[in-house]
Amino acid sequence: SYVLTQPPSVSVAPGQTARITCGGNNIGSKSVHWYQQKPGQAPVLVVYDDSDRPSGIPERFSGSNSGNTATLTISRVEAGDEADYYCQVWGSSSDLHVVFGGGTKLTVL
Amino acid sequence: QVQLVQSGAEVKKPGASVKVSCKTSGYTFTNYGLSWVRQAPGQGLEWLGWTSAYNGNANYAQRLQGRVTMTTDTSTSTAYMELRSLRSDDTAMYYCARIMAGGTGRAFDVWGQGTMVTVSS
Repeated sequence: SYVLTQPPSVSVAPGQTARITCGGNNIGSKSVHWYQQKPGQAPVLVVYDDSDRPSGIPERFSGSNSGNTATLTISRVEAGDEADYYCQVWGSSSDLHVVFGGGTKLTVL
Repeated sequence: QVQLVQSGAEVKKPGASVKVSCKTSGYTFTNYGLSWVRQAPGQGLEWLGWTSAYNGNANYAQRLQGRVTMTTDTSTSTAYMELRSLRSDDTAMYYCARIMAGGTGRAFDVWGQGTMVTVSS
């Protein structure tokens, strides 16, 4: 089955840029979605279809996807961005299953 | 506004079954699929399966095949997830999530608040 690999943790100072990667075999051929989850809360969609933002999500959140790596970029990081972030894809057209990455804990120093 | 409201916490003994509900509002129920995701304490997200609210078709994660059933009730705009033969490692927060328009391949744009299921003797 398809595997998505995320770094367990990323740390960044306020005002800097955080980049969270999601690795998968030829992930660039898939649509990647990203979720933010704060402690005790349900996940929230922050980026879908590689780089689109749902309404209400700040422009500071952006995404890219190419080759074997998708990246969630958070610009001008704020304390409130501290959370777990998960990438997600669907399997092949013949395998309508969903895969989540293991999650990355973003710490704002 | 679009809302998914889940049933309350459950405590079950090993071997029992649990049925979690997800009542939706604010959109046309049959136009969207629904997925179920769980999260064990301190762990990541695990996808369980999805169901079409249009025709009731369902697709389940391999590791749960035979133990899980996902259904929908269009008369009440509610989705259900039943898990049988519960084990201690089924202890988790269970979430329902709406699949964006367009169906499979799309993101989960609205999530329920979660239902804690605890399996303990």
